[in-house]
Amino acid sequence: GENVEQHPSTLSVQEGDSAVIKCTYSDSASNYFPWYKQELGKRPQLIIDIRSNVGEKKDQRIAVTLNKTAKHFSLHITETQPEDSAVYFCAASKAAGNKLTFGGGTRVLVKP
Amino acid sequence: SAVISQKPSRDICQRGTSLTIQCQVDSQVTMMFWYRQQPGQSLTLIATANQGSEATYESGFVIDKFPISRPNLTFSTLTVSNLSPEDSSIYLCSVLTGERNTGELFFGEGSRLTVL
Repeated sequence: GENVEQHPSTLSVQEGDSAVIKCTYSDSASNYFPWYKQELGKRPQLIIDIRSNVGEKKDQRIAVTLNKTAKHFSLHITETQPEDSAVYFCAASKAAGNKLTFGGGTRVLVKP
Repeated sequence: SAVISQKPSRDICQRGTSLTIQCQVDSQVTMMFWYRQQPGQSLTLIATANQGSEATYESGFVIDKFPISRPNLTFSTLTVSNLSPEDSSIYLCSVLTGERNTGELFFGEGSRLTVL
């Protein structure tokens, strides 16, 4: 089955700096890659997703890039703010609507 | 979007007992899933709850330990049976929305289980 690796497991950045989280996947048939943010004690919520027919997608301060050849995708957060502090999970599936396999998560701390 | 209500939000149970978690969605959904999130860990899919038929379990999860019901398109239950301290986790119900289920996976708030 699919295996998703996520790095780093923890990331500390200064407010205003950028944060980058990287994920690799094993199943070349995967073509849907969402990112979820989970604040402390809250449910995971989708923040951005990308499908395999697109190499990059941006939504305000967050962007995701996908390299299907190398089987890796990354989340970029620019101009980080304290409210960006949370655990971020990448995931992969063979299609939007199929079951998701999640990465191990990255705990991001934005220091004011 | 979807509004998902899970009950209980938290519970403390004794070893050897069982806990049933309910998940109610405010609209009919085709795809419903149960995830487990152990303390400080990622999200692991337990099973897909199928309406009107047996749930589809992931590797490492069995029906005897995690029986699931899905009587209609808005409701499901997950039972965690014969509890042990290793079952202490957050259990999350999730649903897919959008046309042809290509939309976002929404999660309930989770049910935090502590087993003594």
